[in-house]
Amino acid sequence: DAKTTQPPSMDCAEGRAANLPCNHSTISGNEYVYWYRQIHSQGPQYIIHGLKNNETNEMASLIITEDRKSSTLILPHATLRDTAVYYCIVRVAGSSNTGKLIFGQGTTLQVKP
Amino acid sequence: DTGVSQDPRHKITKRGQNVTFRCDPISEHNRLYWYRQTLGQGPEFLTYFQNEAQLEKSRLLSDRFSAERPKGSFSTLEIQRTEQGDSAMYLCASSDGPFAKDEQYFGPGTRLTVT
Repeated sequence: DAKTTQPPSMDCAEGRAANLPCNHSTISGNEYVYWYRQIHSQGPQYIIHGLKNNETNEMASLIITEDRKSSTLILPHATLRDTAVYYCIVRVAGSSNTGKLIFGQGTTLQVKP
Repeated sequence: DTGVSQDPRHKITKRGQNVTFRCDPISEHNRLYWYRQTLGQGPEFLTYFQNEAQLEKSRLLSDRFSAERPKGSFSTLEIQRTEQGDSAMYLCASSDGPFAKDEQYFGPGTRLTVT
């Protein structure tokens, strides 16, 4: 699975959009980009994933560059409850894979009032 | 659907003792994963079950560690002769579906402290 690079920390004002970047320059054509987050003292929580196209769900939007070498997770209106560590993970998706997640250090997002 | 549950939530043990953790996945999820997380680090993969078969084990899983998933339902992770370096959060996750689009649902974890 390809490696990812994320900034160690970011701040965001409550109510504003939080844009979390991730570099995955060695991503392969069959690798998906996943985002999970971990709120303090809880297990990680799935947010969103994508292959090539931009994706949106009730939690966030995922923007993947055309060359797929980087992506941005967007929380449109950050709240204090979005304060967490955000992990960008690249992995192959297929029936022959175990589906294990390889976590990096992630980005600690601090949402401030 | 009550989510993934883990028991106990906290365990304090003395070095050299054996400990066992339990994970109850979301019912009918065929994939089950164990991860370990130390302070300030992201979770690290330990082992994977598809139904009752243990299909992958990390090099982190030394011979003091053993995991089972009898009948493809709940899973247990046992650590024998615990060491202080085993102190960590042990996370369990489950997912379903034949393809790894499947998001993993994590439990709250078991925090182990070895004194």
